Amino acid sequence: ELKVEQNPLFLSMQEGKNYTIYCNYSTTSDRLYWYRQDPGKSLESLFVLLSNGAVKQEGRLMASLDTKARLSTLHITAAVHDLSATYFCAVDMWGREGGTASKLTFGTGTRLQVTL
Amino acid sequence: NAGVTQTPKFQVLKTGQSMTLQCAQDMNHEYMSWYRQDPGMGLRLIHYSVGAGITDQGEVPNGYNVSRSTTEDFPLRLLSAAPSQTSVYFCASSYRGGTSEQYFGPGTRLTVT
Repeated sequence: ELKVEQNPLFLSMQEGKNYTIYCNYSTTSDRLYWYRQDPGKSLESLFVLLSNGAVKQEGRLMASLDTKARLSTLHITAAVHDLSATYFCAVDMWGREGGTASKLTFGTGTRLQVTL
Repeated sequence: NAGVTQTPKFQVLKTGQSMTLQCAQDMNHEYMSWYRQDPGMGLRLIHYSVGAGITDQGEVPNGYNVSRSTTEDFPLRLLSAAPSQTSVYFCASSYRGGTSEQYFGPGTRLTVT
């Protein structure tokens, strides 16, 4: 059974600081997604990582994937208050169990609070 | 495009009642899925579909039925609601599995008393 663990579960950081959220997973996969969720809202796609060594950046966020270590990171550079949200990683078992469907297993989320 | 739409936004049911959560997308996506989100947890896959007429079970399918008669619609039916089904339900769609970004609907908050 695939397990996806995120840490930390809660992160309070000051504006201007850097930090990294970690996503570890237990079964081989080379597809991983990062999402953002604001309170009471739906999920917004941030990054789609489709191969070992993939690195993507958007603004102050950068995500990477190391399939050998079964680890993805979401790095926050010079945090601003607007980044306060819950961030989820999700591992896709597409192609691993047959069929053509994406089956996402989500981590429990990291609640990020950026203070002024 | 409206993207992925879900109705209703909120629903309260009594134990044993049945209901259907509606999900529609106007992006001509092949792949659609249903997730539930419980407090302090990530989303868990209930059922998914890779095209009209094709559905399969996800991680937590018990107590739910789905069908997909058109590309656009993917309703989720609760057969006999139980308090354990109190949750927020999200529908998602993507062009295809494996490489495509998934788009999530706004969610339905369901309470079963």
